[in-house]
Amino acid sequence: AQTVTQSQPEMSVQEAETVTLSCTYDTSESDYYLFWYKQPPSRQMILVIRQEAYKQQNATENRFSVNFQKAAKSFSLKISDSQLGDAAMYFCAYRSANTGNQFYFGTGTSLTVIP
Amino acid sequence: EAGVTQFPSHSVIEKGQTVTLRCDPISGHDNLYWYRRVMGKEIKFLLHFVKESKQDESGMPNNRFLAERTGGTYSTLKVQPAELEDSGVYFCASSPQDRYGYTFGSGTRLTVV
Repeated sequence: AQTVTQSQPEMSVQEAETVTLSCTYDTSESDYYLFWYKQPPSRQMILVIRQEAYKQQNATENRFSVNFQKAAKSFSLKISDSQLGDAAMYFCAYRSANTGNQFYFGTGTSLTVIP
Repeated sequence: EAGVTQFPSHSVIEKGQTVTLRCDPISGHDNLYWYRRVMGKEIKFLLHFVKESKQDESGMPNNRFLAERTGGTYSTLKVQPAELEDSGVYFCASSPQDRYGYTFGSGTRLTVV
């Protein structure tokens, strides 16, 4: 079964600085998708960024970018120019491209942004 | 468009009682999913509906959990009788036939005391 590991339960970053959240995963599949979701306190979980495994180029969405290392099964999220609104729980997730629709999530990283 | 709506947002019940959670997906989304996060652990898949049919219920923990999706619209997840280990946040998500568009609700925080 697929597993997703987030080894950082909590992280903090100074406003305007850069922070990297780690995620590793385990799978025997070659075709899949990886995601980072963000959940602010008591609010809806929203998609931050998505990466298709067949793409070598790292995905980027404004201040958010990923470092996707397929061979190492690593998928870290970099947040540049951190803002107070970035404070949230971040979940890394895996989804097969071929078998089933369910997501496999990590345990989450709680990010605090210090003014 | 309206998002995925879940209610109640919070529920505190006593062990042995029954609780029903509701999820209203985005209109037109055939796929509806339930997930659960127990405190400090990963979010785990519970089940998947396609319209009114259960496509995959492999994540349902036991027969105290009953999910329904009336007419392929909203869905309910009933826990009867509730146990302490059922405490957690229950998330609902929906997607259209396109598997990419997966929208989550805000979750229902269930506390069993």
